[in-house]
Amino acid sequence: GAGVSQSPSNKVTEKGKDVELRCDPISGHTALYWYRQRLGQGLEFLIYFQGNSAPDKSGLPSDRFSAERTGESVSTLTIQRTQQEDSAVYLCASSLGAGNTGELFFGEGSRLTVL
Amino acid sequence: GENVEQHPSTLSVQEGDSAVIKCTYSDSASNYFPWYKQELGKGPQLIIDIRSNVGEKKDQRIAVTLNKTAKHFSLHITETQPEDSAVYFCAAHRSARQLTFGSGTQLTVLP
Repeated sequence: GAGVSQSPSNKVTEKGKDVELRCDPISGHTALYWYRQRLGQGLEFLIYFQGNSAPDKSGLPSDRFSAERTGESVSTLTIQRTQQEDSAVYLCASSLGAGNTGELFFGEGSRLTVL
Repeated sequence: GENVEQHPSTLSVQEGDSAVIKCTYSDSASNYFPWYKQELGKGPQLIIDIRSNVGEKKDQRIAVTLNKTAKHFSLHITETQPEDSAVYFCAAHRSARQLTFGSGTQLTVLP
């Protein structure tokens, strides 16, 4: 596709359930980021993938959060045993990669609501 | 780590007036400062950026200024239009690994 694609666009789940969010980056973009945006708040960095390098997981808020990326393609963000405070929009972005301080291209986000 | 503060959190201006949003950063090693615009229900989109070797950059009605000594940078929008209404985020970048974003400014342009 032409841009970053995220699915699902909306997810409502019950507290304690696991959820999986998916991101398809722009083809050729080696860098991929996940951010969390709580209602009315800024963007909170979660994790960064660059090619085959070890991901930067320094922003993951707890061990309930994990993310994977296969090569330079799709990434999934998994939240286990969801809590109400996990409710937020999860944004994925991709860019051309390391050493390039250029543009991040964001998807439209996955809105997660934990009841 | 880097800390970016952004002010104001909300800003209302009359159509045709100018809008200014200010950010400060903490890490003197930061060298790249983008601004993103987020419209309702969409992901943020880059509107302008500036690198640390430049003091000012303009793109039509939008300009950004950078003061490295004071560690602050600003977004200026002139002749505001209703379609400028959105949330604006500043960010600072020290390494290729991550940007640190400000908390955002909700700009409303009143007709």
